[in-house]
Amino acid sequence: KAGVTQTPRYLIKTRGQQVTLSCSPISGHRSVSWYQQTPGQGLQFLFEYFSETQRNKGNFPGRFSGRQFSNSRSEMNVSTLELGDSALYLCASSGYSVSELFFGSGTQLSVL
Amino acid sequence: GEDVEQSLFLSVREGDSSVINCTYTDSSSTYLYWYKQEPGAGLQLLTYIFSNMDMKQDQRLTVLLNKKDKHLSLRIADTQTGDSAIYFCAERGGTYKYIFGTGTRLKVLA
Repeated sequence: KAGVTQTPRYLIKTRGQQVTLSCSPISGHRSVSWYQQTPGQGLQFLFEYFSETQRNKGNFPGRFSGRQFSNSRSEMNVSTLELGDSALYLCASSGYSVSELFFGSGTQLSVL
Repeated sequence: GEDVEQSLFLSVREGDSSVINCTYTDSSSTYLYWYKQEPGAGLQLLTYIFSNMDMKQDQRLTVLLNKKDKHLSLRIADTQTGDSAIYFCAERGGTYKYIFGTGTRLKVLA
């Protein structure tokens, strides 16, 4: 069974640009959530989608958005990039078993 | 508000026990988790405990939960160099929302 796949693995952007990250969950998982990881801040929850609907949302500005498609694949978009958006963005999918989260390897975003 | 706190660093000698501590704030949390992150990888579930349990043991891992103090700990017996990683505590409430701590970087000295 394939794991959670995130693309691209690395991204370098400049301030003001926008970026789209992609996540393919484990087959059969309907919940996909996104996290931002920075040193010293741990994992900050961005949002969670279940069956194409946003079920939970964290405390991030509106520049951060996401969506989920009918095949459960998800994308997140960050517009008007700022230097502080440099981070590892992790996607996780979940089925039904004690709600364990299965994480991808992440997309490392660097904003210059 | 929701918050999960952990110390940032822990250093132990190979063969010793490691204890990683975590405090959380959401008393309605139904599950509490420990995840491990190795360099260049995502997080992987190590173990979890239901909120109505006090202790769970799984091979070298022992999880202790003190609901009154909202304190969770992870003990790793006979710590090995391969245990060097970042360990995250996480809670999940009734809204399917997970809150993670800052992570504790465990360094095992040979």
